[in-house]
Parts: sequence; structure tokens; C-alpha cells
Amino acid sequence: KNEVEQSPQNLTAQEGEFITINCSYSVGISALHWLQQHPGGGIVSLFMLSSGKKKHGRLIATINIQEKHSSLHITASHPRDSAVYICAASLNQFYFGTGTSLTVIP
Amino acid sequence: KAGVTQTPRYLIKTRGQQVTLSCSPISGHRSVSWYQQTPGQGLQFLFEYFSETQRNKGNFPGRFSGRQFSNSRSEMNVSTLELGDSALYLCASSPEPGREAFFGQGTRLTVV
Repeated sequence: KNEVEQSPQNLTAQEGEFITINCSYSVGISALHWLQQHPGGGIVSLFMLSSGKKKHGRLIATINIQEKHSSLHITASHPRDSAVYICAASLNQFYFGTGTSLTVIP
Repeated sequence: KAGVTQTPRYLIKTRGQQVTLSCSPISGHRSVSWYQQTPGQGLQFLFEYFSETQRNKGNFPGRFSGRQFSNSRSEMNVSTLELGDSALYLCASSPEPGREAFFGQGTRLTVV
């Protein structure tokens, strides 16, 4: 059983669409992270959340501690948003989701 | 400010050999953690170092080891390489454990 479950696994969207990626976790956490990985391997940390909501530009991340659930939203999606998005729960170590592969079509 | 630097970027080794990968954290960061990413298993936590001490270790065999130096640079070593060790090895640094982590570009290891 995975400690962190993400959905969907794959997502294709038209440019401009609103996108939501979901993450559920079963472990106690100190923080929930959203990571972005482009082809070639480099990983960028998008958000680190312990409660509530954070916003960076067109990206919004929310977390519900009671329900052990987090969502990553992308507003007005763009082809450059195409990447794998990974949810990770951290306590003493990271527990990673399997990732959501997002393709945004112009 | 320079990011997290991992060397080498690419590496090909033969089964049975050993390999050492290096990670230089962002200046001022004292926590370094290592991860293995494979197509089948995804991202998995290897270990975390803080102030030259290993704080946590993931579920990997003893062939995987690491260390951290007084300047916070870290190395990980894999001995007696197996084909299944082929993966992207990522390190991340943060000012201290529990703070936001910044990832390097990774070292892609291929074992033949």
C-alpha cells in the first residue's frame, strides 16, 4: 500500500483549461510538498504546505489536514506547464506519490 | 546564489563495480537528502544528513551508503552494483531538516 496516492496518473488538457491534481496520504506529516519534474530529470519544489492554501502565479495548492488530502490547481494552463507533478508527504523522510503526467496542448 | 550541484550528470558502470556520487548543497544549507528514481518504483528516499550525521535512512540495502562533510557537501556510494541500481539519483538540500528542499539535476547511473 502506498502512503501517498495521486490522481489522475495522466492528464491531457487544452491550453487555457483549469487543471486539478489530487493527492491523498495516509501517514502523519509535518508538511506536504508539490514537486514539478520536466523531461531530463530536474525537479523543482513548487509548494511546501502544512495547512491552508498557497498561491504562486497561476499555481494554487491547498491542503486539508483532517481529510489528509491536498490539491494542486493550475489556472489558465499553458504548454510550458507540461511536466510530471509529484506529491510528497514528509515527516522523518519523504513519501512520494507516483506522479501525474500533464500534457497541455496548444 | 548557486543551486544544488550534482556530479557527475551521467555515469555508466559495470555490474559488481562501485560508484560514488557527489552533491554540493546551496550555500548555507546544512541538510542534504538523497533519492532514487526508477521507472518502476518512482521516487524513493535513500537517506538524509544534517551536520555530518545521518538522520534518517530509507529501506535500501547496506550497499547504499553516504556521508556528509564539514562543508555540508555529501557523497553517496553504491557498492557491488546491480543492474537494478540503474536510476536517476537526486539530492536535495535545505537549510535544516523540515525546511523547503531544493533539488539538484540528478545523476543518471546506468549499470551494464
